[in-house]
Amino acid sequence: GAVVSQHPSRVICKSGTSVKIECRSLDFQATTMFWYRQFPKKSLMLMATSNEGSKATYEQGVEKDKFLINHASLTLSTLTVTSAHPEDSSFYICSASGGRLGSSYEQYFGPGTRLTVT
Amino acid sequence: QKEVEQNSGPLSVPEGAIASLNCTYSDRVSQSFFWYRQYSGKSPELIMSIYSNGDKEDGRFTAQLNKASQYVSLLIRDSQPSDSATYLCAVNKGRDDKIIFGKGTRLHILP
Repeated sequence: GAVVSQHPSRVICKSGTSVKIECRSLDFQATTMFWYRQFPKKSLMLMATSNEGSKATYEQGVEKDKFLINHASLTLSTLTVTSAHPEDSSFYICSASGGRLGSSYEQYFGPGTRLTVT
Repeated sequence: QKEVEQNSGPLSVPEGAIASLNCTYSDRVSQSFFWYRQYSGKSPELIMSIYSNGDKEDGRFTAQLNKASQYVSLLIRDSQPSDSATYLCAVNKGRDDKIIFGKGTRLHILP
């Protein structure tokens, strides 16, 4: 099956610092990667869509200067939360898709990163 | 109207019975349909995809799609306590890679 890894699984950082989260597709080439955020007992919220080699497309209300996304290769995307604040504490989850040539838009999720900003 | 609607539950089903989860979607052009399972504190896991009208079976799971009624369902046979989770219905419209998620139905299998 399609495997997506995410690192780190858990991070605690101080307010004002930046945190980078990596997302890798391990056994397929991901034409598109997605970043989601999920607060406790709430729905998944799509933050942005990224395609390899191009700028990410952010959903309405998501600050692109705060959540920097880089999709450097077909197997790696990173999300950097800049100048983190306690309200950024959440569960960040990436997913990867092989697109039309893959499995008809199936998205495979990484295990998630739990960010706590103190 | 929400794009993908699900009853939030919780849906309580006795162990060994059939659990039936339902989902409706608003955009008639939607082409691909997915069911994800999410355990508390974990990320979603894809359990079924369905693309054409009718039933698709995989082990204890059966996905059903009715495009005319804009309805997709998931049946879980011989429900087990380990099936207790939130089930997310998701839809792709075919215009881009994004899939639209419903808010999920919490399923509780009673031992």
